[in-house]
Amino acid sequence: SQQGEEDPQALSIQEGENATMNCSYKTSINNLQWYRQNSGRGLVHLILIRSNEREKHSGRLRVTLDTSKKSSSLLITASRAADTASYFCATPSGGGADGLTFGKGTHLIIQP
Amino acid sequence: DAGITQSPRHKVTETGTPVTLRCHQTENHRYMYWYRQDPGHGLRLIHYSYGVKDTDKGEVSDGYSVSRSKTEDFLLTLESATSSQTSVYFCAISHEITSGGEAFFGQGTRLTVV
Repeated sequence: SQQGEEDPQALSIQEGENATMNCSYKTSINNLQWYRQNSGRGLVHLILIRSNEREKHSGRLRVTLDTSKKSSSLLITASRAADTASYFCATPSGGGADGLTFGKGTHLIIQP
Repeated sequence: DAGITQSPRHKVTETGTPVTLRCHQTENHRYMYWYRQDPGHGLRLIHYSYGVKDTDKGEVSDGYSVSRSKTEDFLLTLESATSSQTSVYFCAISHEITSGGEAFFGQGTRLTVV
């Protein structure tokens, strides 16, 4: 079953604009991670935020976490064509199983 | 790609035949995973391993088996391939996820069952 659900499913913006993607999850977590997938490639880890953190930055990425609403957002500032990719949030699977449970992803297209 | 190699990268096989996909790591990570990725479903966990000879089922394990006889190798076997197993398969490695370990993914294997 899907733990995280991203919103929107697809997003198209102009280069230089900011892109915001949201993720909602269902159960308590101790961390939430964001991954990027370029077409035809494996996923690449972007950033991890722990349950006791509210916001985290890494370069042009800003992640927020609201555990009371069970939601997270990923903001990419000053977007570039190279940011075109699918973005996934992921949470620990829990329930005795290790691994990550992924949402279905947001497909981001940066128009030049 | 964090020292993860999947083989083969592409495979076409016939319904009913057994297929084995291989994941090899050079990072000495304890945990290894097999995921499948399908349109509309995102990534779903098939099986994972938490050590040599220690494996467990994930969300979509029916029709799949795994083995890990060495730290560096994790094999996924489709015992009798079906068309519903046509998918892109990803191997991943990590330290303990619940402690904040990030996952590193291989490049994927595109499997087509005809």
